[in-house]
Amino acid sequence: GEEVAQTPKHLVRGEGQKAKLYCAPIKGHSYVFWYQQVLKNEFKFLISFQNENVFDETGMPKERFSAKCLPNSPCSLEIQATKLEDSAVYFCASSPWAGDPYNEQFFGPGTRLTVL
Amino acid sequence: TQLLEQSPQFLSIQEGENLTVYCNSSSVFSSLQWYRQEPGEGPVLLVTVVTGGEVKKLKRLTFQFGDARKDSSLHITAAQTGDTGLYLCAGHSGNTGKLIFGQGTTLQVKP
Repeated sequence: GEEVAQTPKHLVRGEGQKAKLYCAPIKGHSYVFWYQQVLKNEFKFLISFQNENVFDETGMPKERFSAKCLPNSPCSLEIQATKLEDSAVYFCASSPWAGDPYNEQFFGPGTRLTVL
Repeated sequence: TQLLEQSPQFLSIQEGENLTVYCNSSSVFSSLQWYRQEPGEGPVLLVTVVTGGEVKKLKRLTFQFGDARKDSSLHITAAQTGDTGLYLCAGHSGNTGKLIFGQGTTLQVKP
């Protein structure tokens, strides 16, 4: 597609439940990035993929968070045993390449996760 | 750890006024990007500055990259109500391509 698609738009989970978010990158883009936006403004990088391979996972919490990008499937970000502090908007972005300083990342509309 | 300090975090001005938003870091970035985010949407790229001292203009918006490639500014001339929104600076972090975001500036332009 021509836009990054994210589902669901909203997700509500009780503390301790699992949450799974999906992202379909723009067709032809090799790189997928996940970011977490908390407190309305603060963006935090989580993980990136080059096709189905993890490219950079330096921002990924060691526990409870996992992500995958499998061929012919949307990418996913999964949070096991959600905590209150996981409440945030999770954005997925895609781009044709990563290392070029002019590189533009195209962001999806985000998934708002609320943990009660 | 690379950090970007963006200021001010909130700005409320009258239509027609000028404003400047700053983005500062102690780290050097390969490029600095400015994004605008509307409520309920993802950020959209406005501009990328790459060369130290570079100045780019987008209509009433002027973007500057510091000589040392550690800081940047966004200047809006004669702000309009349509400029209202969240402005984010983001440093491009080398080969991995991940973006380091500033805290954002919420701009409100009143008629």
